[in-house]
Amino acid sequence: AQSVTQPDIHITVSEGASLELRCNYSYGATPYLFWYVQSPGQGLQLLLKYFSGDTLVQGIKGFEAEFKRSQSSFNLRKPSVHWSDAAEYFCAVGAPHSSYKLIFGSGTRLLVRP
Amino acid sequence: DTEVTQTPKHLVMGMTNKKSLKCEQHMGHRAMYWYKQKAKKPPELMFVYSYEKLSINESVPSRFSPECPNSSLLNLHLHALQPEDSALYLCASSQPQDRQYFGPGTRLTVT
Repeated sequence: AQSVTQPDIHITVSEGASLELRCNYSYGATPYLFWYVQSPGQGLQLLLKYFSGDTLVQGIKGFEAEFKRSQSSFNLRKPSVHWSDAAEYFCAVGAPHSSYKLIFGSGTRLLVRP
Repeated sequence: DTEVTQTPKHLVMGMTNKKSLKCEQHMGHRAMYWYKQKAKKPPELMFVYSYEKLSINESVPSRFSPECPNSSLLNLHLHALQPEDSALYLCASSQPQDRQYFGPGTRLTVT
């Protein structure tokens, strides 16, 4: 069965510092991989996605993620965090060529210190 | 237009009321979704419509009744809800096997 693990419930970084949010998945093949961000009481916005090809994916708002098959990971990074990046971040996996289901991780709440 | 709209933004209803949530997209997407999200939790899939037919029902109680009148609209009819049904209800749409676009959600409170 597919599963997604985000091991960090909360992460606090200082504004201007670098950020890495961890995501590990369990799936028999290479899944579709997504990172979404959610501000309080809002919908989810897609930051980036990986379907195939180059394992380093660039997204919006200066985010990037790297797919590492050997580690079953899809970690999200940003070189310099802005106060407006404070939000909840969800990693999600989808099964190619099968269902429409997205399996979400439990989320990581990012707090940004001034 | 890459927007999914949801109405109303907020809804308060009693346990004996009947109400409906509405979702609309004009991106030509053939799949539409309803999710339920409790505070500090990830979204949980409830229903998926594919080409206007219900393709996934995640064992949702019958007090939630989805409807897809056409390819752009998705409704969620609510009847005899319980206080534990209070949550953020998110609608999403996509092309098959592609990223999902989410609406801003309806904040539902059941009293």
